[in-house]
Amino acid sequence: GENVEQHPSTLSVQEGDSAVIKCTYSDSASNYFPWYKQELGKRPQLIIDIRSNVGEKKDQRIAVTLNKTAKHFSLHITETQPEDSAVYFCAASISGGGADGLTFGKGTHLIIQP
Amino acid sequence: DTEVTQTPKHLVMGMTNKKSLKCEQHMGHRAMYWYKQKAKKPPELMFVYSYEKLSINESVPSRFSPECPNSSLLNLHLHALQPEDSALYLCASSQDIGRSYEQYFGPGTRLTVT
Repeated sequence: GENVEQHPSTLSVQEGDSAVIKCTYSDSASNYFPWYKQELGKRPQLIIDIRSNVGEKKDQRIAVTLNKTAKHFSLHITETQPEDSAVYFCAASISGGGADGLTFGKGTHLIIQP
Repeated sequence: DTEVTQTPKHLVMGMTNKKSLKCEQHMGHRAMYWYKQKAKKPPELMFVYSYEKLSINESVPSRFSPECPNSSLLNLHLHALQPEDSALYLCASSQDIGRSYEQYFGPGTRLTVT
């Protein structure tokens, strides 16, 4: 089955700086890569996703890049704010999040220092 | 309505009890999922339903029994659970199968087995 590695496990950045979280996946058939943000005691919330036919996607301060050859994808958050503090999970899926379910990375605890 | 709802929010049960978790969505989604999330861990896929039929069972013990009465509802019946089954149980849904559709999570049921 699919295996997703995520690094780092904890990331502390100064407010206003950028944060980068990296993931690798094992199954070259995976074609859908969402990122979820989970605040303490709350549900995972989809913040951005990318499909295998796209190399980069941006939504305001958040961007995701995908390198299919190397089988890795990254989340970039610019101009970080205190409300960005949370646990971020990357995930991968074959044929999308349809009937196959998502395989998650272990998560990155992002801490924004004031 | 773009929300997945789950009841109850919290559940405490003994190892001999029988209880059920409920999940509901009114987005017209045809795929629904159960995930289990332990503290400080990523969600782990348990079951996938596609068009009200069980599509994937990730080798989950038989003390967990899913049911999809109709396209909007998903239940998880619990019987003879163990303390290590204590976790946050998350339901999710997505529009369809076979493509990379986004998965939306409910708020979860926090289960404690005593």
